[in-house]
Amino acid sequence: GENVEQHPSTLSVQEGDSAVIKCTYSDSASNYFPWYKQELGKGPQLIIDIRSNVGEKKDQRIAVTLNKTAKHFSLHITETQPEDSAVYFCAGRRGIISNFGNEKLTFGTGTRLTIIP
Amino acid sequence: NAGVTQTPKFQVLKTGQSMTLQCAQDMNHEYMSWYRQDPGMGLRLIHYSVGAGITDQGEVPNGYNVSRSTTEDFPLRLLSAAPSQTSVYFCASSYKLDQVDDTEAFFGQGTRLTVV
Repeated sequence: GENVEQHPSTLSVQEGDSAVIKCTYSDSASNYFPWYKQELGKGPQLIIDIRSNVGEKKDQRIAVTLNKTAKHFSLHITETQPEDSAVYFCAGRRGIISNFGNEKLTFGTGTRLTIIP
Repeated sequence: NAGVTQTPKFQVLKTGQSMTLQCAQDMNHEYMSWYRQDPGMGLRLIHYSVGAGITDQGEVPNGYNVSRSTTEDFPLRLLSAAPSQTSVYFCASSYKLDQVDDTEAFFGQGTRLTVV
């Protein structure tokens, strides 16, 4: 099955600087890679995702890059703000056809991001 | 829309007790799943369902049962609680993947379970 590794486990960044979180995956058939943000006491919430036919995707201060050959993808947050402090999870999933079993998301172990004012 | 609703938010059980964690969604999503979240281990899939009447095991299914009698509800049953099941449990739902552009998984707020 899929294995997703995420680094670093903790990251402290000065407010206004950039933060980068990296993930690698093992299943070459995976083609959907979402990133989730989890604030204290809440469930994970999707912040950005990328599909394997795209190399980069941006949404304001957040961007995700994907290298299919190397099987890794990264989350980039620019101009960090205190409200960016949270735990971030990457994930991977295979398939766009609804075959039974292809729908499973495999998560990384999470990165606790702290923005220092 | 309430999204994904989990109850209860907190629960303390004694070893050997049974209980059901409730999950309901009002988005008409076919796919629903249960995860447990433990420190340093991310989210691990317990069971999932691709539609009413269809369920399957995830990565860590032992000690848990599920059923899916309706599209909206996907309860998780702990048969005989053990301290190793102390965790935070999340339910999630999404459309099936044949709706390619709309596959976001929506999570509930979680249930914090302690087994003593």
